[in-house]
Amino acid sequence: DTGVSQDPRHKITKRGQNVTFRCDPISEHNRLYWYRQTLGQGPEFLTYFQNEAQLEKSRLLSDRFSAERPKGSFSTLEIQRTEQGDSAMYLCASSLSGTSYEQYFGPGTRLTVT
Amino acid sequence: GQQLNQSPQSMFIQEGEDVSMNCTSSSIFNTWLWYKQDPGEGPVLLIALYKAGELTSNGRLTAQFGTTRKDSFLNISASIPSDVGIYFCAGQYGATNKLIFGTGTLLAVQP
Repeated sequence: DTGVSQDPRHKITKRGQNVTFRCDPISEHNRLYWYRQTLGQGPEFLTYFQNEAQLEKSRLLSDRFSAERPKGSFSTLEIQRTEQGDSAMYLCASSLSGTSYEQYFGPGTRLTVT
Repeated sequence: GQQLNQSPQSMFIQEGEDVSMNCTSSSIFNTWLWYKQDPGEGPVLLIALYKAGELTSNGRLTAQFGTTRKDSFLNISASIPSDVGIYFCAGQYGATNKLIFGTGTLLAVQP
């Protein structure tokens, strides 16, 4: 049973560059979530998909952020024109509709913007 | 963003001691979950609670869904060194599927 995987695990980028992260959910899970976690805080919700439909977005998700899940399997999160304040751990989670509140997290992508 | 209040913020205990931590909210939640996070890793689900008053165990861990639906509790019995980490509560409310996380409790266990 493969868990949630994320790639890359670490990303260092210069301010103003674009970055893209990938998440592969647990294979039978139809819901996929993105969260952001800064040092010393709990994860904060960004957005979630049911299959390929993006059903909810947080106000934290500014216009520079976009997420996709084109075939209802893996998802990508892109940040355009990165800022230093974007430095954080980006976490992906997945769940089944029936037990949707039990979300299983991947290892995260640590983004550092210099 | 909105976060739940967890206490204590940190605990430093001896191996073998029992641990209690709690999580409170000003809002009513439908679901409470407890996660453990190791440095540089994602949170790992420990226990999920779905009903007010529910008491659920997972090995040495026991969690309770508070009767007011505004709080939850986690107990760890006979702590061991591998219990070290940050424990987060998370709640779900209303019709949303997102989780609201607590501020975390850092647990350190001295052998």
